[in-house]
Amino acid sequence: AQRVTQPEKLLSVFKGAPVELKCNYSYSGSPELFWYVQYSRQRLQLLLRHISRESIKGFTADLNKGETSFHLKKPFAQEEDSAMYYCALWSMDSSYKLIFGSGTRLLVRP
Amino acid sequence: DAGITQSPRHKVTETGTPVTLRCHQTENHRYMYWYRQDPGHGLRLIHYSYGVKDTDKGEVSDGYSVSRSKTEDFLLTLESATSSQTSVYFCAISETDGFSNQPQHFGDGTRLSIL
Repeated sequence: AQRVTQPEKLLSVFKGAPVELKCNYSYSGSPELFWYVQYSRQRLQLLLRHISRESIKGFTADLNKGETSFHLKKPFAQEEDSAMYYCALWSMDSSYKLIFGSGTRLLVRP
Repeated sequence: DAGITQSPRHKVTETGTPVTLRCHQTENHRYMYWYRQDPGHGLRLIHYSYGVKDTDKGEVSDGYSVSRSKTEDFLLTLESATSSQTSVYFCAISETDGFSNQPQHFGDGTRLSIL
């Protein structure tokens, strides 16, 4: 079964520290993966998709097929990065569904 | 932001009453989704639609029904609300260009409390 695992419910760092939000997936083929961010009581917003290989708000994510991971990284955390982060995998049947991880809350302290 | 409007934004109701949530889009996207968001569970798919009158169940569909009579509207109905259905409900839309799956875009959510 396809699954997305975000092992940390809460990640707390100080401003300026590096951040790595972990995401592991289970899928045997070539996945399509996304990171979404949700600021307090707002809608989910697309942060990154792996096929675009771009950096948004200083965040990057690299697909590691060997480790089936798609960790989200930022070298220097800012207080405004505090939010809920969700990793998501496109379901590879014909249903066009996203499979979400349970989310990691990032708290950046001053 | 994608043109997605959810209504109502907040609702408080009593156990056993019917509730309908509406998602309206102006993007003419084919795919529409209803999720619920609960602490510790992330987002869980309730139902989704892949076209007018074409819907299918997600992972937590029990107690919910949906309808899509036109492209722009996707309705979620709780026939007889229970306290376990207290949650934040998000609608999402997406499209495909035939080559890759485009990301889903989300509405602002509906906060539903069932007393």
